[in-house]
Amino acid sequence: SAVISQKPSRDICQRGTSLTIQCQVDSQVTMMFWYRQQPGQSLTLIATANQGSEATYESGFVIDKFPISRPNLTFSTLTVSNMSPEDSSIYLCSVVYRQGTDTQYFGPGTRLTVL
Amino acid sequence: GDSVTQMEGPVTLSEEAFLTINCTYTATGYPSLFWYVQYPGEGLQLLLKATKADDKGSNKGFEATYRKETTSFHLEKGSVQVSDSAVYFCALSSGGYQKVTFGIGTKLQVIP
Repeated sequence: SAVISQKPSRDICQRGTSLTIQCQVDSQVTMMFWYRQQPGQSLTLIATANQGSEATYESGFVIDKFPISRPNLTFSTLTVSNMSPEDSSIYLCSVVYRQGTDTQYFGPGTRLTVL
Repeated sequence: GDSVTQMEGPVTLSEEAFLTINCTYTATGYPSLFWYVQYPGEGLQLLLKATKADDKGSNKGFEATYRKETTSFHLEKGSVQVSDSAVYFCALSSGGYQKVTFGIGTKLQVIP
């Protein structure tokens, strides 16, 4: 499998600010996803990042709060906007490499703390 | 909708003990089943998978068998090591959308 990297690996931010998280894959992938993992919890899907079009958001997540871009087949960003302490979580991107397969591979995650 | 039920943790075992982490699922159709592992401070790593009934996934001494009749995918290892201490997530993927549903995760602590 290819290498998936995320930047930053961790950050501490002030409430009301925004943070953009990058996900880079070293080979082209068909699908990219963004998840949130709140402290001590399981993973919750935020959205599917679609290349060249608007992301598909899950119930409870909106574009104004979590804008997502995917300009090409190897890169995506997630922005956490107007942050509050409740946004403190690990944010993970995942990818599916080939059409017709269903195995997701995860990046190392971005650990965000909002003060 | 799809769901995954996983045994609550934490599970504490002595080194070389036998491990079982129970996982059952509810899904329409024929899902693929996965176990992921999350070591402290890291992201998720795929541990093993099975795509159809009676398939056995295995990796690093861990194994799990896709049991359609009991809708289960229990994780087992014959002899755990301290380095196996991590959180283990059972998950399923169904339908063309490739959406993955995760269990709550089971924390395993192995003591020397």
